[in-house]
Amino acid sequence: RKEVEQDPGPFNVPEGATVAFNCTYSNSASQSFFWYRQDCRKEPKLLMSVYSSGNEDGRFTAQLNRASQYISLLIRDSKLSDSATYLCVVNQGSYIPTFGRGTSLIVHP
Amino acid sequence: NAGVTQTPKFQVLKTGQSMTLQCAQDMNHNSMYWYRQDPGMGLRLIYYSASEGTTDKGEVPNGYNVSRLNKREFSLRLESAAPSQTSVYFCASEAVYEQYFGPGTRLTVT
Repeated sequence: RKEVEQDPGPFNVPEGATVAFNCTYSNSASQSFFWYRQDCRKEPKLLMSVYSSGNEDGRFTAQLNRASQYISLLIRDSKLSDSATYLCVVNQGSYIPTFGRGTSLIVHP
Repeated sequence: NAGVTQTPKFQVLKTGQSMTLQCAQDMNHNSMYWYRQDPGMGLRLIYYSASEGTTDKGEVPNGYNVSRLNKREFSLRLESAAPSQTSVYFCASEAVYEQYFGPGTRLTVT
């Protein structure tokens, strides 16, 4: 079983929709959690950290559920420019982060 | 403030040739990483350097070597390129578990 799993999608949603992705992790000792965004043929860029208390940044909300070992990303009022691949990253307290394979989002007019 | 830079952006090699991918960061980060990204495989860690003077293997180190030249620079060397090393290579530096990536090198080995 891969340590960090994501539904690859694609999630195909109209502009203005609300969409949510989950990411499950297998190591209960994991300490830090992040969402990255990767546009086609570009490098990943940090979108937001995920805290135990949740984290909101404009239309984006990230949540952590330690009991069920997953993190989520909610995007409200989707824009065409939100189309990208969203990667979740889990750190277990070592120097080695574990990346999920990403969830593809396509926002259409 | 350029962040993380990588050279070259594109490279085509023949099987058996060698080359070095260069990476530099100007954020004074201690930790640096090399990843490869292949379709359907996600990002896989090749090597990392927790601090100047140290390097460690990641998930897929075979066929690669690295050098942490100083705090700013972390290079990746392919001694004898193979078609299986065709990939996009990303370098990253890290602060407080947050990673900052370079623009990548697209390598094709024929």
